[in-house]
Amino acid sequence: DADVTQTPRNRITKTGKRIMLECSQTKGHDRMYWYRQDPGLGLRLIYYSFDVKDINKGEISDGYSVSRQAQAKFSLSLESAIPNQTALYFCATSDWGGGRALNEQFFGPGTRLTVL
Amino acid sequence: KQEVTQIPAALSVPEGENLVLNCSFTDSAIYNLQWFRQDPGKGLTSLLLIQSSQREQTSGRLNASLDKSSGRSTLYIAASQPGDSATYLCAVSPFPGSYQLTFGKGTKLSVIP
Repeated sequence: DADVTQTPRNRITKTGKRIMLECSQTKGHDRMYWYRQDPGLGLRLIYYSFDVKDINKGEISDGYSVSRQAQAKFSLSLESAIPNQTALYFCATSDWGGGRALNEQFFGPGTRLTVL
Repeated sequence: KQEVTQIPAALSVPEGENLVLNCSFTDSAIYNLQWFRQDPGKGLTSLLLIQSSQREQTSGRLNASLDKSSGRSTLYIAASQPGDSATYLCAVSPFPGSYQLTFGKGTKLSVIP
């Protein structure tokens, strides 16, 4: 079973709709991240969370919100979707504990979101 | 601001050839560098992570090198196979415990049978 899972894998929605993308992990990592990937722009960080009570904006947080429901769950919401939010969205995790600080991130399979 | 560049953007090679993918970064003050593989429409798979104190890391047919002072890393793939066809991305992290990963835009590799 995959260590980092994302649902849904594909989603088509209309402008103005609210949608939620979900991420779950079984790696036991404290840190979780949401990225979006656009052709020609690479990966950009939307939000990151160091633990359940510590959530931070990334490079491109406007139009997005997040919720860290538990150590293992981190969801991304688009309150009112717009076409330029069409992208591939990735969740990632990394470890931080026991003095380890590798910063190695592990990615989920991605959600392809299309906003019409 | 850290910038990561991967050239070329696309590369096509015949099966069996050894090849090198390049990654350069503008700020040499990095903690580590990570190489990923991305298959079409899929997630990123971590291939190798190389710490700033290391020169090389190896995994199977893959070898990553790091020259921190010159701001360069290479990913060497030996005896390429069609299954190696994917986009390869590199990313750098600035210090221990940082949340930041600065990504390159990737090199799309095609291995022709």
